[in-house]
Amino acid sequence: EPEVTQTPSHQVTQMGQEVILRCVPISNHLYFYWYRQILGQKVEFLVSFYNNEISEKSEIFDDQFSVERPDGSNFTLKIRSTKLEDSAMYFCASSKQGLGQPQHFGDGTRLSIL
Amino acid sequence: GESVGLHLPTLSVQEGDNSIINCAYSNSASDYFIWYKQESGKGPQFIIDIRSNMDKRQGQRVTVLLNKTVKHLSLQIAATQPGDSAVYFCAENMDSGGSNYKLTFGKGTLLTVNP
Repeated sequence: EPEVTQTPSHQVTQMGQEVILRCVPISNHLYFYWYRQILGQKVEFLVSFYNNEISEKSEIFDDQFSVERPDGSNFTLKIRSTKLEDSAMYFCASSKQGLGQPQHFGDGTRLSIL
Repeated sequence: GESVGLHLPTLSVQEGDNSIINCAYSNSASDYFIWYKQESGKGPQFIIDIRSNMDKRQGQRVTVLLNKTVKHLSLQIAATQPGDSAVYFCAENMDSGGSNYKLTFGKGTLLTVNP
């Protein structure tokens, strides 16, 4: 069964450094998402992406965050200058369509900011 | 405002029993709901979904019930197995007429199945 894959599984970064989290969505999916989950809390929406542009973003997704689909298979999340509070699990998801379609998640990247 | 929450943070059942996990939502405009299962160290795994024009949907060993009158969603797992032990999240999506496809998640219920 096709799945969303994310790399790396764990990223440790010094505060203030840039980090790029990578995702390969399911191949025939058109909508892509990033969510995050701080330890012990619920999953929070960050951004949705369709047709090479951001569809929607949350308040968390400020100017330090950016997303890119550099080629036909990868979808990346960049944090320009990481803060301690960026430490969380970051999940990538994809869906065939937007509304009314299940979003399928990867197993996440654990980001630890020191 | 948007709010999805769960009545019970933990649920412990015996293997073979049926489990019922509940979820309350406050946004009456939500029209699509999903249940996810999350095992330790893994991402949310899709279980079953339901649209607001339905009140029941069945899958393999799972049933989702939607009561729009009281804004309540439940997940029923038949003959619960140890492999069902995980955190279960409900999530909602609202068609705002634009490109709002984000899911709003609840806090989760930890299901523990005792052998």
